[in-house]
Amino acid sequence: GAGVSQTPSNKVTEKGKYVELRCDPISGHTALYWYRQSLGQGPEFLIYFQGTGAADDSGLPNDRFFAVRPEGSVSTLKIQRTERGDSAVYLCASSPVGGGEEAFFGQGTRLTVV
Amino acid sequence: DQQVKQNSPSLSVQEGRISILNCDYTNSMFDYFLWYKKYPAEGPTFLISISSIKDKNEDGRFTVFLNKSAKHLSLHIVPSQPGDSAVYFCAASASGGKLIFGQGTELSVKP
Repeated sequence: GAGVSQTPSNKVTEKGKYVELRCDPISGHTALYWYRQSLGQGPEFLIYFQGTGAADDSGLPNDRFFAVRPEGSVSTLKIQRTERGDSAVYLCASSPVGGGEEAFFGQGTRLTVV
Repeated sequence: DQQVKQNSPSLSVQEGRISILNCDYTNSMFDYFLWYKKYPAEGPTFLISISSIKDKNEDGRFTVFLNKSAKHLSLHIVPSQPGDSAVYFCAASASGGKLIFGQGTELSVKP
């Protein structure tokens, strides 16, 4: 596709369940980012991949959160034992090189933990 | 610790007038600044950027000004149009990698 694609667009899950959020970046983009946005706030950095490896995972809030990008393209954000506080819009972005230039965002996945 | 701050949650301007959105930062290591625009239910869209070696960058109706000594940047939109109504986010990065975003300013341009 032409842009960053995120699936699902909406996810409702019960507290304590496991969820996976998928991101398809723009073809050829080596850098991939995950952000989380709560209501009334700006996107909050979670993790940044350069190719297959996590270059910076300092934003992951705790060990319930994990992300992979095994082939340097599609990425999956995994959240274990979800809590109501995990409810937010999860945004994925990609950029050609990852040198701080503009990143292109997907439409986000709205996660609701009930 | 909020490294990028947008202190005005909202701004309302008349169509045709200038919109000025402000952003302050605290980290002197930031070397690249960006503005993103966001409509409801969509991801942020890149608007304009500026490197720390410049003090101004212009693209059509949009101009970003950077004052490094004050650690302040602003986005000017002139003339403002109703289609500019959206939430605007300021973001910054240090030597590449992650972007740190402000809280956003909701701009409303009234016809």
